[in-house]
Amino acid sequence: DAGVIQSPRHEVTEMGQEVTLRCKPISGHNSLFWYRQTMMRGLELLIYFNNNVPIDDSGMPEDRFSAKMPNASFSTLKIQPSEPRDSAVYFCASSFGRDTYEQYFGPGTRLTVT
Amino acid sequence: AQSVTQLDSHVSVSEGTPVLLRCNYSSSYSPSLFWYVQHPNKGLQLLLKYTSAATLVKGINGFEAEFKKSETSFHLTKPSAHMSDAAEYFCVLGGGGNKLTFGTGTQLKVEL
Repeated sequence: DAGVIQSPRHEVTEMGQEVTLRCKPISGHNSLFWYRQTMMRGLELLIYFNNNVPIDDSGMPEDRFSAKMPNASFSTLKIQPSEPRDSAVYFCASSFGRDTYEQYFGPGTRLTVT
Repeated sequence: AQSVTQLDSHVSVSEGTPVLLRCNYSSSYSPSLFWYVQHPNKGLQLLLKYTSAATLVKGINGFEAEFKKSETSFHLTKPSAHMSDAAEYFCVLGGGGNKLTFGTGTQLKVEL
């Protein structure tokens, strides 16, 4: 299995631009998670989906952030408009089952907003 | 309330000596506990997990952890550190609808 796939691996953009991060979960997994990691705040859960349905988006920082999961094999996290404080590493993770907790992480997308 | 505390933000050991990374937890549920490792510029990799079976859990790369309910601890150990073990380690608590609670991480440095 290829594991969780994220693209792009690195993204540099200017303030105000739209940014779209992509994730392909492990085949057969039905839960998907988006995390953000910064030095100041550590790892934060932004949103998670179960069977393509958003279950908890309480970690999404503000309306500039949105996430979708149109099918079981693809999810996007969009930031519009982006701001310098959004600079972070964004991780996608997937797991099988609703309460198994064992999550498999992708390599992350390093976002820099200038 | 769910919480996990990693007692050391940085640990430094010499190669070939034992490793101890400490973790305490607080949970209203019967906990599931994990250790993840993150090498520089990489994603998180699952090292080992405890899910109410054996209290001594063996993981990859020679790591193991012991669940001690009386002490609410889940410390990570390895008998002999290797240079490749240098990384950040996260103690993670599962519970409450598939959400994970992450510790703040312990940076392990391995010196020659």
